[in-house]
Amino acid sequence: GIQVEQSPPDLILQEGANSTLRCNFSDSVNNLQWFHQNPWGQLINLFYIPSGTKQNGRLSATTVATERYSLLYISSSQTTDSGVYFCAVALSGGSYIPTFGRGTSLIVHP
Amino acid sequence: KAGVTQTPRYLIKTRGQQVTLSCSPISGHRSVSWYQQTPGQGLQFLFEYFSETQRNKGNFPGRFSGRQFSNSRSEMNVSTLELGDSALYLCASSSERSTDTQYFGPGTRLTVL
Repeated sequence: GIQVEQSPPDLILQEGANSTLRCNFSDSVNNLQWFHQNPWGQLINLFYIPSGTKQNGRLSATTVATERYSLLYISSSQTTDSGVYFCAVALSGGSYIPTFGRGTSLIVHP
Repeated sequence: KAGVTQTPRYLIKTRGQQVTLSCSPISGHRSVSWYQQTPGQGLQFLFEYFSETQRNKGNFPGRFSGRQFSNSRSEMNVSTLELGDSALYLCASSSERSTDTQYFGPGTRLTVL
């Protein structure tokens, strides 16, 4: 099956810092999404971004499908950004069966 | 609109028993997906239901099953529970397509003793 690798596995920042999270995948995909799981377990869908760039407030994401990676940028981080960030991909053609990466655990200190 | 609700929130069962979890999607949403999250395997996709039909299915044994009712509410059932089934089970709803934004419920924490 498709392999999804996220880096770094852990990240600790001071409030106000910027960060870049990476998601590499091993095959052609037509569906890539980024999620945030807060420390209480609530999962939130951040972006659907199989290619190109999107921005939502302090968060933006870029996917280069031909090179099989996606980046999630967090600018001016806040303590509420803490949690685990997952990317999930689904193979091109046919059914939507997402494969998740192991996530990047982010801690933002005040 | 009310969010996605899951019941029960916590559940303790013993090996060999079966369990049914429930998910009520956001009003108007027709797609419901289920996920399992464990420390060892991470987040894994179980299945998706749309208009009372299973549309997509992950790589889980037949002990894991689900269904969707005409009001889009969904249930998942796990039979013959194993210790490894202990997990957080998450349900998500979306309007129609896999590319639509998914809204997740708070999850059901299942412990198998």
